[in-house]
Amino acid sequence: EIVLTQSPGTLSLSPGERATLSCRASQSVSSSYLAWYQQKPGQAPRLLIYGASSRATGIPDRFSGSGSGTDFTLTISRLEPEDFAVYYCQQYGSSSTFGQGTKVEIK
Amino acid sequence: QVQLVQSGAEVKKPGASVKVSCKASGYTFTSYGISWVRQAPGQGLEWMGWISAYNGNTNYAQKLQGRVTMTTDTSTSTAYMELRSLRSDDTAVYYCARGEAAVAPAKFDYWGQGTLVTVSS
Repeated sequence: EIVLTQSPGTLSLSPGERATLSCRASQSVSSSYLAWYQQKPGQAPRLLIYGASSRATGIPDRFSGSGSGTDFTLTISRLEPEDFAVYYCQQYGSSSTFGQGTKVEIK
Repeated sequence: QVQLVQSGAEVKKPGASVKVSCKASGYTFTSYGISWVRQAPGQGLEWMGWISAYNGNTNYAQKLQGRVTMTTDTSTSTAYMELRSLRSDDTAVYYCARGEAAVAPAKFDYWGQGTLVTVSS
């Protein structure tokens, strides 16, 4: 099973700042089958990025994904108030596993 | 618009079974698969398994093999997840999510609203 480790656990930032979230896999993720989700309290996750770098439908361009192999990054260029949430990475190249999440909180 | 609407909250005793439904609308049901993902209170996401609504093929997470069964009813565009021999650590919100029709590993572009299953004596 591919284990995904997200860092940091919590990111404290102010609106307008840049957020950089990391997701590291225990082995290479085939064909960059890596997705990112946003989850707010009491809500289902929402797909942001798939294929490591493709934005899902309706996702603002301040969200971007990059990386390949075992190291992936989600960047939020300028945090909006609605972006404070928990973010999960998921690999779907070999079965499916999720990272433990990164909470982006207001500083 | 694509919607996945799940059945309501359940309270079960240890050792019992639970069956959660997920009714799809707004797309061709048999062109996709449905995965189930659960989230224990305050915890992360755990993939449970997948069923193809196209041909009924399934793929279950190893840790749940033998306790979980996923089915579909194409006449009503509904997917079901049954979990047996419930334990307290099965207490979680259970989500259905739309994925690929042909393969289990997939991104999940639409999610149900979640169903809270509480296992308690």
